[in-house]
Amino acid sequence: AQSVTQLGSHVSVSEGALVLLRCNYSSSVPPYLFWYVQYPNQGLQLLLKYTTGATLVKGINGFEAEFKKSETSFHLTKPSAHMSDAAEYFCAVSEPYTGRRALTFGSGTRLQVQP
Amino acid sequence: DVKVTQSSRYLVKRTGEKVFLECVQDMDHENMFWYRQDPGLGLRLIYFSYDVKMKEKGDIPEGYSVSREKKERFSLILESASTNQTSMYLCASRLSGRGTSNEQFFGPGTRLTVL
Repeated sequence: AQSVTQLGSHVSVSEGALVLLRCNYSSSVPPYLFWYVQYPNQGLQLLLKYTTGATLVKGINGFEAEFKKSETSFHLTKPSAHMSDAAEYFCAVSEPYTGRRALTFGSGTRLQVQP
Repeated sequence: DVKVTQSSRYLVKRTGEKVFLECVQDMDHENMFWYRQDPGLGLRLIYFSYDVKMKEKGDIPEGYSVSREKKERFSLILESASTNQTSMYLCASRLSGRGTSNEQFFGPGTRLTVL
């Protein structure tokens, strides 16, 4: 069974500061990993994904994440926060090549950006 | 671009009513999903369908049923709505098969209130 833990349901940063959103997962096989963003009253939009290959993944809007197998982590970072980054962020995991084709999501982290 | 649409953004129903939530995708994806989103719980899988007329229960199927008569359309049915089904409902679709990344594309969501 898979699970995802996002540490911190709310994170607040100042505009221009580093953004770090934490995600740890458990999976019995090498996983596929995703970060999605949800702006108010909208659906989820893919920020970035890791499947295979390079462990540092770059996504949209200046975000990136690094897959660390030894730490079972996939933390999301952005060097300099912008007001428009205020949203809820979800980490998700799936197992490749299995019958379960759904994603398992973390509980989400709401990012607040202070001026 | 993949487009996933949901029939209503906001819906208000009374306890005991039969409720239909419709989802349509335009990219010929085999797999479709229904999630519900609640604060602090992230997204939880209700049902998914891996092809026309095929369906499988997710993690929280009680009180729900689904229908997939055509590839592009996946309906979620609340046979007798209850107040604990007040939630945000998100539909997603995914291209099937090996070599795909398991990325899911989401609709904008339907916020359902049951009075």
